[in-house]
Amino acid sequence: SQTIHQWPATLVQPVGSPLSLECTVEGTSNPNLYWYRQAAGRGLQLLFYSVGIGQISSEVPQNLSASRPQDRQFILSSKKLLLSDSGFYLCAWSQSGELFFGEGSRLTVL
Amino acid sequence: AQKVTQAQTEISVVEKEDVTLDCVYETRDTTYYLFWYKQPPSGELVFLIRRNSFDEQNEISGRYSWNFQKSTSSFNFTITASQVVDSAVYFCALSEAGFRGAQKLVFGQGTRLTINP
Repeated sequence: SQTIHQWPATLVQPVGSPLSLECTVEGTSNPNLYWYRQAAGRGLQLLFYSVGIGQISSEVPQNLSASRPQDRQFILSSKKLLLSDSGFYLCAWSQSGELFFGEGSRLTVL
Repeated sequence: AQKVTQAQTEISVVEKEDVTLDCVYETRDTTYYLFWYKQPPSGELVFLIRRNSFDEQNEISGRYSWNFQKSTSSFNFTITASQVVDSAVYFCALSEAGFRGAQKLVFGQGTRLTINP
C-alpha cells in the first residue's frame, strides 16, 4: 500500500533563516505531488504541485520554493523565512484522482 | 473562480445525535470533483470521500452519508449517531483541473465539530 511521510514534524526557526521540509511517497510511481499550507484558524491553500521530476507549478507567489529531485520526493524550501511563513504544511499525493495527505509539519517562525 | 463555503464554523452536539455539515460550492466547470476530509487534533487530513460531478447518487458508508445536489450546488455530510471520536475539523473541497491531471483542491474554511459525551 502507498504511504506518505514528511519531516520534520515540528520546526521552530528564527526570521531570516532557511527552511527545508521534505516529503516522500512509497508504494507508487509517478504520483502527482502537492504542498499545502494551513495558517492558524484558516483553510488550506495550495502552494505548489508537481506532475513529474523537475516539474513545479506555483500557485501563490511567495517566499517559498519547491523542488522534485526524485520521482517520489518533494521538497519545500525558503532562503529566508518571514513571520508570515508560520503555519502547518501538508504534503499530499494523488494518482487516480483521490488526494492523500501526510502527517504535516508545523512551522513556527519567531 | 472556484469557491467552497462551509457556513457552519462550529457545531456542538451531544453524543448519539445526528449532525449534518453543510457545503456549498461554486464552479464554472462541468466536470469537477468534490471531497470531504477529516482533520483530527493530530492535524493529519484523513480522506473520507470523493464524488464526481456526474454522479449524484447519495453515498453511505457506515454512520457517514453524503448528499450531493447539483441543483443547489451542495455536497452535505451527515454523521448518524455521532460519537466522541467524530470530534474534528471537517473540510469540504472542490477540485480544479490542473496540468496533466493534477488535482488542485480549493478548500472551504472547515467546520469544527465537537461531540460531547
